Amino acid sequence: NAGVMQNPRHLVRRRGQEARLRCSPMKGHSHVYWYRQLPEEGLKFMVYLQKENIIDESGMPKERFSAEFPKEGPSILRIQQVVRGDSAAYFCASSLGLAPDTQYFGPGTRLTVL
Amino acid sequence: AQTVTQSQPEMSVQEAETVTLSCTYDTSESDYYLFWYKQPPSRQMILVIRQEAYKQQNATENRFSVNFQKAAKSFSLKISDSQLGDAAMYFCASRLSNSGYALNFGKGTSLLVTP
Repeated sequence: NAGVMQNPRHLVRRRGQEARLRCSPMKGHSHVYWYRQLPEEGLKFMVYLQKENIIDESGMPKERFSAEFPKEGPSILRIQQVVRGDSAAYFCASSLGLAPDTQYFGPGTRLTVL
Repeated sequence: AQTVTQSQPEMSVQEAETVTLSCTYDTSESDYYLFWYKQPPSRQMILVIRQEAYKQQNATENRFSVNFQKAAKSFSLKISDSQLGDAAMYFCASRLSNSGYALNFGKGTSLLVTP
């Protein structure tokens, strides 16, 4: 059973460009979570999605950030008009259900904004 | 809201020795889960151990065990017979049980293992 997959692993963007981060959950998992890790920090929750639904986006910046989890295909975290402060590692996790199910993490995407 | 505090930015242990990483948390809920995740240089987040708050017995996974003190809101990780491969960042995290999904992470403890 393949784990959570994220691509790309590394992404470099110039200020003002768009960044698209992809996450394929573990097989059979319908719950997806995105977290952001700034340098020297722990992971911070951004958004929780189920297929075709955003359940909680309370941790996501109000502007420039959006997330989706379509019926078919991976979950996408999209950052428009990136700024240097967006440079971070973005992790996706998936679970079979809610608590007590464990969240399994992907390897992360490291975004660098020049 | 839940907050997780790891007061040790760095720890060091000699190979084969035992080390304890500290974690305290703050929550008004009575039912929740606690976790330790390991992040090696590859940056992959790996679940080390989990504890259900309603269980009094401390969780154990091979060389890893926890000391869960619910009244004190303390959740420390003990690594026995440390190995070079244990060197990593260790993050403590909490999550509410009934409606919880967001993991709340501490800032992490960097563990160095010396030969």
